[in-house]
Amino acid sequence: DTGVSQDPRHKITKRGQNVTFRCDPISEHNRLYWYRQTLGQGPEFLTYFQNEAQLEKSRLLSDRFSAERPKGSFSTLEIQRTEQGDSAMYLCASSLSGGLKETQYFGPGTRLLVL
Amino acid sequence: DQQVKQNSPSLSVQEGRISILNCDYTNSMFDYFLWYKKYPAEGPTFLISISSIKDKNEDGRFTVFLNKSAKHLSLHIVPSQPGDSAVYFCAASRVNNDMRFGAGTRLTVKP
Repeated sequence: DTGVSQDPRHKITKRGQNVTFRCDPISEHNRLYWYRQTLGQGPEFLTYFQNEAQLEKSRLLSDRFSAERPKGSFSTLEIQRTEQGDSAMYLCASSLSGGLKETQYFGPGTRLLVL
Repeated sequence: DQQVKQNSPSLSVQEGRISILNCDYTNSMFDYFLWYKKYPAEGPTFLISISSIKDKNEDGRFTVFLNKSAKHLSLHIVPSQPGDSAVYFCAASRVNNDMRFGAGTRLTVKP
């Protein structure tokens, strides 16, 4: 396994369009996280899954955003009716839950530009 | 709410010297701290971590120090190499909760 992968790496879309991103975690990892990163900031938590259950959502995740992990493996993040403020790097991370030392491993990210 | 702060947006050091990156946090419930390194157009790469029961963790050229009373941690890189030039993020978490990141410090190591 080569790590967390994300697709696409780059996406340019027009305001109002819907976009969907995919994340494939490290195969034995049961937790999957989505983050958003804007210029000059660290990653900001959006949501996370343990297996197929979505356990937590940030208040940053407006109702235009939806994430799924239907079989507890890959996940998708959909943004509906995109706005220019959605332009950011969307990062996915995965981890193996198990107490104190849970380390998240990140994918390369999907850079979204909304025109 | 900025629970994890990296107050220095950039740091420049000479090759071979020590790099010290600092991080402060406000939430005393955090019990696991991590440093990630990020190159342009890539996701953050895990570098080193420390749990709250320790005050030091070392891995090769990288050492992380934790001062719980001051709610402060630091990353030392000795000796610094040009390939260490990247943005370094400090992160903090607690069991079964999301991880919070600082805004990052851009390290430049000059040959």
